[in-house]
Amino acid sequence: GNSVTQMEGPVTLSEEAFLTINCTYTATGYPSLFWYVQYPGEGLQLLLKATKADDKGSNKGFEATYRKETTSFHLEKGSVQVSDSAVYFCALSDRGTNAGKSTFGDGTTLTVKP
Amino acid sequence: NAGVTQTPKFQVLKTGQSMTLQCAQDMNHNSMYWYRQDPGMGLRLIYYSASEGTTDKGEVPNGYNVSRLNKREFSLRLESAAPSQTSVYFCASRRTFGEEKLFFGSGTQLSVL
Repeated sequence: GNSVTQMEGPVTLSEEAFLTINCTYTATGYPSLFWYVQYPGEGLQLLLKATKADDKGSNKGFEATYRKETTSFHLEKGSVQVSDSAVYFCALSDRGTNAGKSTFGDGTTLTVKP
Repeated sequence: NAGVTQTPKFQVLKTGQSMTLQCAQDMNHNSMYWYRQDPGMGLRLIYYSASEGTTDKGEVPNGYNVSRLNKREFSLRLESAAPSQTSVYFCASRRTFGEEKLFFGSGTQLSVL
C-alpha cells in the first residue's frame, strides 16, 4: 500500500532561519505529491504540489521538488517568519486504481520564535 | 464563498450516545471525504463518496456510517460512540475523483467520555 513518512517534530526555529521538513513516500503507482498546512483551529489547506518527477512546487516562499529516484518531497523555506508557525502535512494522491484517495504523513509542527 | 462547512465545531458525548456530523460544500464538487485526525497519526480516511449516490469505506470505517444526502451534503454518523472515537474530524471535497487537490472544512472536535 501507499505510505508517507515525515520528519518527526516538533521543530522550533528562530525567525529568518532556514527550514527543511523531510518527507519520503512509498506508492504502488505514480503519485502526485502535496504539502498541506494547518493553522491553529483551522482545516488543512494546500500549500504546494508537484505532479511528476523533477517538478518543483512553490508557494509563499516554500518549495519542494519531486524526487522519484529517492522517493522524496522535502519542504524548504529560506527564511521563516512567525506567521509560518503551523502543522505541515506531506501527502500523496495515487492516480491509479486508488485515484481520489489521499495518504497523509503524521504532520510536523513548526514553531517560529521572534 | 463558504467552501466546506462542518457542524458542530465541538461536541462532547457519553459512551453509547449517537450523533451525526454534518458537512456541506458549495463548490459543486463531486467527491467528498471524511477523515479523522489523531495526535501523531496524521489523517486517516473513514469513508468517502466519489460521486452523488455512492459511498465507500476508507481505512478506518468501523463504528461509523455515512450518507451522501445530495451533491452538497455528506454526513457522518456515530451510532454508539466509544472513547476510541475521540478525535478531530475533517470533511473534505474535491471537484472530481481524479482531481487531486482537496478542500477541507475547519473540523469538529469530538470527545467521548
